[in-house]
Amino acid sequence: DQQVKQNSPSLSVQEGRISILNCDYTNSMFDYFLWYKKYPAEGPTFLISISSIKDKNEDGRFTVFLNKSAKHLSLHIVPSQPGDSAVYFCAATAYNFNKFYFGSGTKLNVKP
Amino acid sequence: ETGVTQSPTHLIKTRGQQVTLRCSSQSGHNTVSWYQQALGQGPQFIFQYYREEENGRGNFPPRFSGLQFPNYSSELNVNALELDDSALYLCASSNISYNEQFFGPGTRLTVL
Repeated sequence: DQQVKQNSPSLSVQEGRISILNCDYTNSMFDYFLWYKKYPAEGPTFLISISSIKDKNEDGRFTVFLNKSAKHLSLHIVPSQPGDSAVYFCAATAYNFNKFYFGSGTKLNVKP
Repeated sequence: ETGVTQSPTHLIKTRGQQVTLRCSSQSGHNTVSWYQQALGQGPQFIFQYYREEENGRGNFPPRFSGLQFPNYSSELNVNALELDDSALYLCASSNISYNEQFFGPGTRLTVL
């Protein structure tokens, strides 16, 4: 039962342009969402999060948008840099915070 | 501040054997979660430990068990290994009061 889905396995973007990574979820109980970045041979690294009481959260070049009615969130990276090339996972959880559901990841390649 | 560490890095076992994986939490964190990440998939939640007790479990059979110690380090034990148990096993620590989880680099388990 895949409650968090990332339907794009890969994305290729030119350096300096915007990268948009998408994530959909099915469980309306989810109220906290996170994005993680993962380099090969390393564990996922927390990037940015958003609570369901907000529809946007920004941190430097990274912005996460949440559309609760569509059960959709997206991560925008502007401008994209070659160092952003990694696998990006979105994750969701509910109020009690003792279980996280991850998507299958999107591999971002930022070309110089 | 010491990050999350896991041991061993790699492990090869044969079907039917038992394995123990270890995780040291980040300083100040009292919660440990374990995930299984199969190739091409996102991390799948196995279980979480808080103050030495299981605090949530995913859809994994009882042959997956764990422990958390007073210093908040943790073990994941898998009995009667099956070929499908081959995966990257990730440990993540957090403060139960916060939502962000910090991941270790993982243990790559291969079952032959």
